[in-house]
Amino acid sequence: RKEVEQDPGPFNVPEGATVAFNCTYSNSASQSFFWYRQDCRKEPKLLMSVYSSGNEDGRFTAQLNRASQYISLLIRDSKLSDSATYLCVVGHNDMRFGAGTRLTVKP
Amino acid sequence: DAGITQSPRHKVTETGTPVTLRCHQTENHRYMYWYRQDPGHGLRLIHYSYGVKDTDKGEVSDGYSVSRSKTEDFLLTLESATSSQTSVYFCAISSDHGTASYEQYFGPGTRLTVT
Repeated sequence: RKEVEQDPGPFNVPEGATVAFNCTYSNSASQSFFWYRQDCRKEPKLLMSVYSSGNEDGRFTAQLNRASQYISLLIRDSKLSDSATYLCVVGHNDMRFGAGTRLTVKP
Repeated sequence: DAGITQSPRHKVTETGTPVTLRCHQTENHRYMYWYRQDPGHGLRLIHYSYGVKDTDKGEVSDGYSVSRSKTEDFLLTLESATSSQTSVYFCAISSDHGTASYEQYFGPGTRLTVT
C-alpha cells in the first residue's frame, strides 16, 4: 500500500462546477499536510497548507480528518485555469507525495 | 517565485556514463532536496541536505550521490547512469524546520534520458 494515495482521475468538469479531491495517508504520525498543483511539464507549486481546523483561500478549501487519515481539497466555481494535476503531500520530517489527481475544466 | 534554478534542463546520455545535475538557490534556505518523478508515482525523495556538507538518503537513493559544498548549490550525481534512471528530476528547498512547516519550493526540473 502506498503511503499517500490519491484518485488519479481524470476529473473532467464544466466551468463553474464544484469539484472535490480526497487523499488518504497511512502514517498516523504525519504532522504536515499540503496541496500542490502541477501544470503539464512544469514544477509543482504550493497551492495551500492544510490545517487541523480547515482553511480556505478564495475558491479553495482544504480539510484535514486525522481520525480517518485523509485530507481533501474543494474547488468552487472552477475556472479553465484550474486545469492541472493536484498533488497531496503528507509527512513529518520526511514528506511523501501522492501521484496526483488530474483535473480538466472544460468550457 | 523562489529563486531556484536547475542545470541542465534537458540531457540525453548513454548507459554507464556519469551525470551531474546542479541545483542553485538564491534564498539562503537551509534544506535542499532532490526528487525524481515518474508516471504513476508521486515525487520520490532521492537525497536531501540539511546544511553544508550535511546530507542524508531518501527512499530511492541507490545509484545516486550528492554533495553540498556551499549553501546555494546542491549537486546530484549518477555515478553510472542506467535506463531506469530516465526521469524528471526536481530540486526543492525549504526553510528551517523549526517553524514546523515543511513547505517546499521546487526548481523547474531536469529531464534526463538514459539511452
